[in-house]
Amino acid sequence: SAVISQKPSRDICQRGTSLTIQCQVDSQVTMMFWYRQQPGQSLTLIATANQGSEATYESGFVIDKFPISRPNLTFSTLTVSNMSPEDSSIYLCSALFVESYEQYFGPGTRLTVT
Amino acid sequence: TQLLEQSPQFLSIQEGENLTVYCNSSSVFSSLQWYRQEPGEGPVLLVTVVTGGEVKKLKRLTFQFGDARKDSSLHITAAQPGDTGLYLCAVRTTSGTYKYIFGTGTRLKVLA
Repeated sequence: SAVISQKPSRDICQRGTSLTIQCQVDSQVTMMFWYRQQPGQSLTLIATANQGSEATYESGFVIDKFPISRPNLTFSTLTVSNMSPEDSSIYLCSALFVESYEQYFGPGTRLTVT
Repeated sequence: TQLLEQSPQFLSIQEGENLTVYCNSSSVFSSLQWYRQEPGEGPVLLVTVVTGGEVKKLKRLTFQFGDARKDSSLHITAAQPGDTGLYLCAVRTTSGTYKYIFGTGTRLKVLA
């Protein structure tokens, strides 16, 4: 199993600014992902955070808007750039153990853009 | 594009009642997972089903994978307020990858 923490837990930001969300896993994992979730709705995969190389983005998400870093096997960051009110959402990171396909999630970062 | 439809979308029941949540698709999957998410937290994995027709039990929760591996159900017996949450099914996007897509979700509220 894994315990995942995210910082900040929530933030209110102004339009046009950027916010970096941190995700820390308590053990080394091969796969880390970033998701977006509107409150009460399902999850949408943003990208796969690859250790030591550029993230792999899903359709509709681009690196300029959501730059991702993964410097090691336990940590990743997601930046939401040049924010607009449409970026208001919950952002979740996850870690997946490839041996068991078990995926663990952080508690999420609730972002509000005004 | 794979689509996982869950039904019902919302469910509000009294404590002690039984309920079933469904996850349907037109695609065949090698496995399917169920998660529960409580407010302010991330989803928590409940179970993974792999074999067509497989039934798994987790206390009062019974999970079944369809014979054709295109659908799944989650049955809760004697629901309790602690069962309240968002239930999500999830499958790998394509075989051989580790990326998952999630179902549309079922929001359950159990009233005391």
